Amino acid sequence: SQQGEEDPQALSIQEGENATMNCSYKTSINNLQWYRQNSGRGLVHLILIRSNEREKHSGRLRVTLDTSKKSSSLLITASRAADTASYFCAAEGYNTDKLIFGTGTRLQVFP
Amino acid sequence: EAGVTQFPSHSVIEKGQTVTLRCDPISGHDNLYWYRRVMGKEIKFLLHFVKESKQDESGMPNNRFLAERTGGTYSTLKVQPAELEDSGVYFCASSRAEGGYTEAFFGQGTRLTVV
Repeated sequence: SQQGEEDPQALSIQEGENATMNCSYKTSINNLQWYRQNSGRGLVHLILIRSNEREKHSGRLRVTLDTSKKSSSLLITASRAADTASYFCAAEGYNTDKLIFGTGTRLQVFP
Repeated sequence: EAGVTQFPSHSVIEKGQTVTLRCDPISGHDNLYWYRRVMGKEIKFLLHFVKESKQDESGMPNNRFLAERTGGTYSTLKVQPAELEDSGVYFCASSRAEGGYTEAFFGQGTRLTVV
């Protein structure tokens, strides 16, 4: 199987707290991407980290990548109720455009 | 700029019937992808078009699924005959054909329920 795995499957936190989601993948990658899906909506691209990068920031998002462990983490700082959604990592391999998605983490942020 | 649009947003059909899903990519995007998420599991790749040509259809589950992209514009994904295990959310995405990474934009998905 080529799919990635994410943990936790579900995460509930209070507004203002940080949320950390982890992703593991199985193939060699060109880059790894994180997406958000609000209930009933499409996937929204959040951030991309290339295989030669170790950390990347975008606003309240911080992504790390450890290619030796084939793992990545997404940190959302100072969470808001509007961050409530499902979050997916997606790995893009070499010489391919297709994305291999993780199983997703369902984040619930309580006001 | 209009985003990727998918029709219908929901479809409920009986086992054995036929359903056709449609995806309109962003104008000018040569790459078009189909993915699906079944029963809350991971999102899985189905196939990839570059213009009207199938670049990679390795994820198509079986011959009950037929994808077309006539003229390299919109795409359809037909399931005939539908089975219960085909229930899930079908996503379409599009991106520009450029070297290196280009962001894929996803539609809101079609939720298919086979009863």
